[in-house]
Amino acid sequence: KAGVTQTPRYLIKTRGQQVTLSCSPISGHRSVSWYQQTPGQGLQFLFEYFSETQRNKGNFPGRFSGRQFSNSRSEMNVSTLELGDSALYLCASSDGRTFYEQYFGPGTRLTVT
Amino acid sequence: EDQVTQSPEALRLQEGESSSLNCSYTVSGLRGLFWYRQDPGKGPEFLFTLYSAGEEKEKERLKATLTKKESFLHITAPKPEDSATYLCAVRERGSSNTGKLIFGQGTTLQVKP
Repeated sequence: KAGVTQTPRYLIKTRGQQVTLSCSPISGHRSVSWYQQTPGQGLQFLFEYFSETQRNKGNFPGRFSGRQFSNSRSEMNVSTLELGDSALYLCASSDGRTFYEQYFGPGTRLTVT
Repeated sequence: EDQVTQSPEALRLQEGESSSLNCSYTVSGLRGLFWYRQDPGKGPEFLFTLYSAGEEKEKERLKATLTKKESFLHITAPKPEDSATYLCAVRERGSSNTGKLIFGQGTTLQVKP
């Protein structure tokens, strides 16, 4: 099976802009979770989508949003970018039901200048 | 507050020198403890899931164990290719938290030839 794919892999944006990141889960997986990874805070949970519905949300401001499509692909959006949003954004997929192992993609490295 | 603490932060070993990494957690009902390996610039790679105290799992030179308050990742006769950051994460009981993993800060392992 193909793994989790994320696009783009690298992104440079300016403060105040918005950005959209994409994630394609492993075939058959219906749950997609998003995480932000920074050197200071480590991996922090953003939100989870299951069957097109947001099932869980972390403690991030409303500038961070996401959605999931009927084919389980997911996007996350960050509006009004701040310098502190520079991070590695990781997406993880899971079958979302029984065992709940999450398999991560390679991440999108976002740099805000 | 739910917490996951990993120690040590960094570990340097000589090739063949066995050691253990620790992950201690405080959650309101554990629903799975996960170990991941992360190489620089890449997404975390799933290693193990442990669900109940006393459970053990092995993969090549790695062995993970679980007690009621902590987990250990034992590395036997490590090789330079085992150098990476090892992350521990927990999922807590409760339907509202099904997709949320709480990660520790990781242990960066360097194995010298």
